[in-house]
Amino acid sequence: GEDVEQSLFLSVREGDSSVINCTYTDSSSTYLYWYKQEPGAGLQLLTYIFSNMDMKQDQRLTVLLNKKDKHLSLRIADTQTGDSAIYFCAESVDSNSGYALNFGKGTSLLVTP
Amino acid sequence: DGGITQSPKYLFRKEGQNVTLSCEQNLNHDAMYWYRQDPGQGLRLIYYSQIVNDFQKGDIAEGYSVSREKKESFPLTVTSAQKNPTAFYLCASSEQGPSFMNTEAFFGQGTRLTVV
Repeated sequence: GEDVEQSLFLSVREGDSSVINCTYTDSSSTYLYWYKQEPGAGLQLLTYIFSNMDMKQDQRLTVLLNKKDKHLSLRIADTQTGDSAIYFCAESVDSNSGYALNFGKGTSLLVTP
Repeated sequence: DGGITQSPKYLFRKEGQNVTLSCEQNLNHDAMYWYRQDPGQGLRLIYYSQIVNDFQKGDIAEGYSVSREKKESFPLTVTSAQKNPTAFYLCASSEQGPSFMNTEAFFGQGTRLTVV
């Protein structure tokens, strides 16, 4: 599939907010997701947003969706060292054959004390 | 506990040998997926299966094969035809449903395959 674009690295200080940005490709994507991957582990779903929403808040996480620009962002408030991980943006891709996820390359978030 | 299990966690094989990666889930999910992860490449879809005895090629299926004889199991074989098999392989599963429903994908812990 076409590329979902993310910046590769982000470094923030503990206690600051982190904003990770993503540009997706398929305007018909029904759901957009943020996954977190800790070193050597699988992916965990952090949050998702339905395509008819502009914003979703879940505790320290805020997702903003600009459907016109196909732009998605994840804001982590009061970032902690335990938030250091790779964050993947993903879009749902539907076809006649079924459903799958198209992932970005991931943004490595480093939180420094 | 319900979950999705990949084994082994680390796998070493000689060049030219086929190798099969295991993926088992007890979540009663219809759909299962295999992704490959390379540094700086993100995740790329190899194969997916929406239902038992059926599967579809993803973006990078060449050199791989799968089977889906049971709902719980979706093994991936990396054949000798795969030119660059060394990678981190992730299996996932999700409930089958209409595309307008949230179908959260649950991931295994991954298998790191190294071909020497």
